[in-house]
Amino acid sequence: KAGVTQTPRYLIKTRGQQVTLSCSPISGHRSVSWYQQTPGQGLQFLFEYFSETQRNKGNFPGRFSGRQFSNSRSEMNVSTLELGDSALYLCASSSYSSGGSTGELFFGEGSRLTVL
Amino acid sequence: DAKTTQPPSMDCAEGRAANLPCNHSTISGNEYVYWYRQIHSQGPQYIIHGLKNNETNEMASLIITEDRKSSTLILPHATLRDTAVYYCIVRAGSGNTGKLIFGQGTTLQVKP
Repeated sequence: KAGVTQTPRYLIKTRGQQVTLSCSPISGHRSVSWYQQTPGQGLQFLFEYFSETQRNKGNFPGRFSGRQFSNSRSEMNVSTLELGDSALYLCASSSYSSGGSTGELFFGEGSRLTVL
Repeated sequence: DAKTTQPPSMDCAEGRAANLPCNHSTISGNEYVYWYRQIHSQGPQYIIHGLKNNETNEMASLIITEDRKSSTLILPHATLRDTAVYYCIVRAGSGNTGKLIFGQGTTLQVKP
């Protein structure tokens, strides 16, 4: 079973540009979450999508947005890039069993964004 | 979700048991304790979780105190590949959410 796939793995952008990152979850998983990891702030939750609907959002400015498609693939977009947006962006997928407490998240390898 | 407190770093000799503590004194009755680890430059990996009973799987054991205010993750025979940052996370409900609140974690260094 293929894992969570994130593309691109590495990218370099300049301030003011925008970027779109893609995440393909594990087959059958309907939930996709996004996280930002920086040396200073650690791992921070961005947002979560389930069945094409955003159902959780972290404390990030509106420049950070996302969406999920009917096949559960997800994209996140960052507009008007700032130097501080340089980070590893991680995507995680999950399959929830009704009434259970699995809740295990499967993370991808991440997309490393450098903003110059 | 309750806050967790972990030591910033620990060392362990290869082949010995690694015991990683976590304090979660404000944990609520419906909150689970989860452990993840992150090996350098990779995405976090799920290890184990529990509510109030001790749990064991092929990777580790989780010991939760009776008052549930603290827990210990045990790697029974640590190897060099277990060198990673270990995160203890408290999470509400049945886990039906992709939102995890990560702290700073414990950096475990396994030494030969």
